[in-house]
Amino acid sequence: AAGVIQSPRHLIKEKRETATLKCYPIPRHDTVYWYQQGPGQDPQFLISFYEKMQSDKGSIPDRFSAQQFSDYHSELNMSSLELGDSALYFCASSATWTGGTDTQYFGPGTRLTVL
Amino acid sequence: QKEVEQNSGPLSVPEGAIASLNCTYSDRGSQSFFWYRQYSGKSPELIMFIYSNGDKEDGRFTAQLNKASQYVSLLIRDSQPSDSATYLCAVANSGGYQKVTFGTGTKLQVIP
Repeated sequence: AAGVIQSPRHLIKEKRETATLKCYPIPRHDTVYWYQQGPGQDPQFLISFYEKMQSDKGSIPDRFSAQQFSDYHSELNMSSLELGDSALYFCASSATWTGGTDTQYFGPGTRLTVL
Repeated sequence: QKEVEQNSGPLSVPEGAIASLNCTYSDRGSQSFFWYRQYSGKSPELIMFIYSNGDKEDGRFTAQLNKASQYVSLLIRDSQPSDSATYLCAVANSGGYQKVTFGTGTKLQVIP
């Protein structure tokens, strides 16, 4: 079965640079979530989108922005990168139309390293 | 107090034993509960979800939910070394767009 796709898998940036992470949800999934996971920490919710509209916002810094496009893929844009932004960034997707709980399925993640 | 609490472990069990992982949550309105397994450097992998009080079994895994006590657990029977990972408890609030809150995870070590 198709899974969530994230690109790139690894990204190395310098401080103050900009990074763009991409997420392609499972086909027919309409909701995308972004999480940040630092070393030894649990995933921290950043932001989510449902049908291309922002549906919820967590601990996303103002330097970050995200959007969901007409094909349901999502991009997380990160500007003025700081050393503390180094983390694993996960995207998850779910399908609200199933009528049940919106079980989230995670992508493989993007490892961002800021030097 | 964190919204979702787990003992960080590590929890060590011998191969073949039952591993019991526990999780408590603070939001009484929580509707859905998930257990994810995460290997180091990998993404969380869904093991089970449970909505209703009681037990739910899937192979070697059994999830138990007690909403009155705000408690959810995961039992792993016949533990294998490959079960060694961090187990994340996740709780979704009620409502349309579910924001899932994760616990900090319990590290399980299955000793051969």
